[in-house]
Amino acid sequence: AQKVTQAQTEISVVEKEDVTLDCVYETRDTTYYLFWYKQPPSGELVFLIRRNSFDEQNEISGRYSWNFQKSTSSFNFTITASQVVDSAVYFCALSEANRGSYIPTFGRGTSLIVHP
Amino acid sequence: EAGVTQFPSHSVIEKGQTVTLRCDPISGHDNLYWYRRVMGKEIKFLLHFVKESKQDESGMPNNRFLAERTGGTYSTLKVQPAELEDSGVYFCASSALTGGGSYEQYFGPGTRLTVT
Repeated sequence: AQKVTQAQTEISVVEKEDVTLDCVYETRDTTYYLFWYKQPPSGELVFLIRRNSFDEQNEISGRYSWNFQKSTSSFNFTITASQVVDSAVYFCALSEANRGSYIPTFGRGTSLIVHP
Repeated sequence: EAGVTQFPSHSVIEKGQTVTLRCDPISGHDNLYWYRRVMGKEIKFLLHFVKESKQDESGMPNNRFLAERTGGTYSTLKVQPAELEDSGVYFCASSALTGGGSYEQYFGPGTRLTVT
């Protein structure tokens, strides 16, 4: 069975600080996908990144970076020089290839509060 | 291009009443999904439509929940009769591709259901 754990329920930082959101996953599949979504106060879930299990390269997109490590089953998300607009709930998710429709399993989310 | 829309944005009903949630996917998206998030918990999958057919309804909690997607366009999710534990945010998502592959799901803003 697949499982995603986001141990940090809430993180509070001051603007310009770097912050890392942790995500640990469990799966028996060798082929799977990992995701991060952002839920701003407006409510919708905004797709941030998808990574497949065969690609362990880290990714950087502006102030966002992701560190995928299969050895520790982790897919952590770092925001550099955080801004107030980064305040949101962030969800990590996993979908397995053996579930034909690739339905994601989500973590409980981490609420990030960035203070000015 | 319009995104996924959901109506209503918020619904407050009494236990035992009926509520119908609506989702309009992105035009042309064959795949439509329903998810639910109970406060502070994971976003959980409810069901998946491919066009008008139910592909996977393994997440539907019980027979008080009925989802339809007549004509393969918009979808409705009816809860009848509503119970207190049905409270939460109901998300709808749609995606373009069918078959295998981890295609991106576009989420709507959610409907917040409160059962009192």
